[in-house]
Amino acid sequence: QVQLQQWGAGLLKPSETLSLTCGVYGGFFTGYYWSWVRQSPGKGLEWIGEVNHGGSTNYNPSLKSRVTLSADTSKNQVSLELKSVTAADTAVYYCARGRMGDIWGQGTMVIVSS
Amino acid sequence: QSVLTQPPSASGTPGQRVTISCSGSNSNIGSNTVNWYQQLPGTAPTLLIHTFNQRLSGVPARFSGSRSGTSASLAISGLQSEDEADYYCAAWDDSLNGPVFGGGTKLTVL
Repeated sequence: QVQLQQWGAGLLKPSETLSLTCGVYGGFFTGYYWSWVRQSPGKGLEWIGEVNHGGSTNYNPSLKSRVTLSADTSKNQVSLELKSVTAADTAVYYCARGRMGDIWGQGTMVIVSS
Repeated sequence: QSVLTQPPSASGTPGQRVTISCSGSNSNIGSNTVNWYQQLPGTAPTLLIHTFNQRLSGVPARFSGSRSGTSASLAISGLQSEDEADYYCAAWDDSLNGPVFGGGTKLTVL
């Protein structure tokens, strides 16, 4: 059974870079897009972007200038970097399998505060 | 503001049938499939229904989905206490070239 396990720093200061990793266990990594979605009280669920095993990416235009997604097929991992964070980036961040997310990671709460 | 519009809350008593609506546009629900997710407190969303009305393995048959034009609905019949959760709709959006989500509906079982 496929499981997604996330990890990364949960407390950041404004202007720092958010960095999260999502490991894929118990299933195929290639052949899928891997998505990142965030959930904040003010904006609900928001799609951040997607990356496939070959490294092809697609980003939400509202975040495109600050986001980088990458995939490491040797480790079955995908990573999210979000630069220059502000308090508005405070949210729970999820990785998910597929373009619409059929399996989700456990979520990582990220708080941006000075 | 979410791209897809859902009522913020819904409620019913055990055994009742409740329906949660999701309104979108031609660029999302009107031309692409709809998924429904259930989110229990403190947990990640889990996929309940995909492609309008296809239940994931293990999802009870009392959960059903439908679409009409640019709107979709999730119906839960024979409501049970364990159905109390937040429910989200989602659809691929051709303008965004990505998925869009509803704001979520908090279902309370009275």
